[in-house]
Amino acid sequence: DQQVKQNSPSLSVQEGRISILNCDYTNSMFDYFLWYKKYPAEGPTFLISISSIKDKNEDGRFTVFLNKSAKHLSLHIVPSQPGDSAVYFCAANALGQNFVFGPGTRLSVLP
Amino acid sequence: NAGVMQNPRHLVRRRGQEARLRCSPMKGHSHVYWYRQLPEEGLKFMVYLQKENIIDESGMPKERFSAEFPKEGPSILRIQQVVRGDSAAYFCASSPVDRGPQPQHFGDGTRLSIL
Repeated sequence: DQQVKQNSPSLSVQEGRISILNCDYTNSMFDYFLWYKKYPAEGPTFLISISSIKDKNEDGRFTVFLNKSAKHLSLHIVPSQPGDSAVYFCAANALGQNFVFGPGTRLSVLP
Repeated sequence: NAGVMQNPRHLVRRRGQEARLRCSPMKGHSHVYWYRQLPEEGLKFMVYLQKENIIDESGMPKERFSAEFPKEGPSILRIQQVVRGDSAAYFCASSPVDRGPQPQHFGDGTRLSIL
């Protein structure tokens, strides 16, 4: 049973436009959520996080939105740049529990 | 370099051999986690260790896999009598706290190929 789902395996966006990556979860105990970015042959790099007491967290071009009632979070990247092309993983955990990762979404930003 | 260090980056083994993967956590981090990534899949938790203790090994296969984090030196993930299905990327992560609301920081992984 996949507790964290990323239903879009891939996404293509034009440079300068907004990229929206989505993530759904099933475990209502999750209270901390993260997004990681991964380039080929490298490890995941932490991007941004949000705790369940918030519904939005912003860091430069990256904003994460959390909708607890829908058990849904999204990552907005604006404006998108070619260097943003990577695989994006969302992850979630409850305090003291292991992180659970989604299967990833491959973002391609087209120049 | 204060990041998580994994070696080797690539490891090729024949079926039946042993594979040893090493991970040095980020400076100041005493919590180490191992994950496995199969092609086109996400990261799957394997084991969580602190110095000299295995805290959670619920994601480890019951046979052939073991992990340690000795008082001195890196954490080691050991796979005995490797099989083709063990081919994957193995990532190590570290954190300063026990699975709290803080991100884990990852190394660049070891890509294990079984011939």
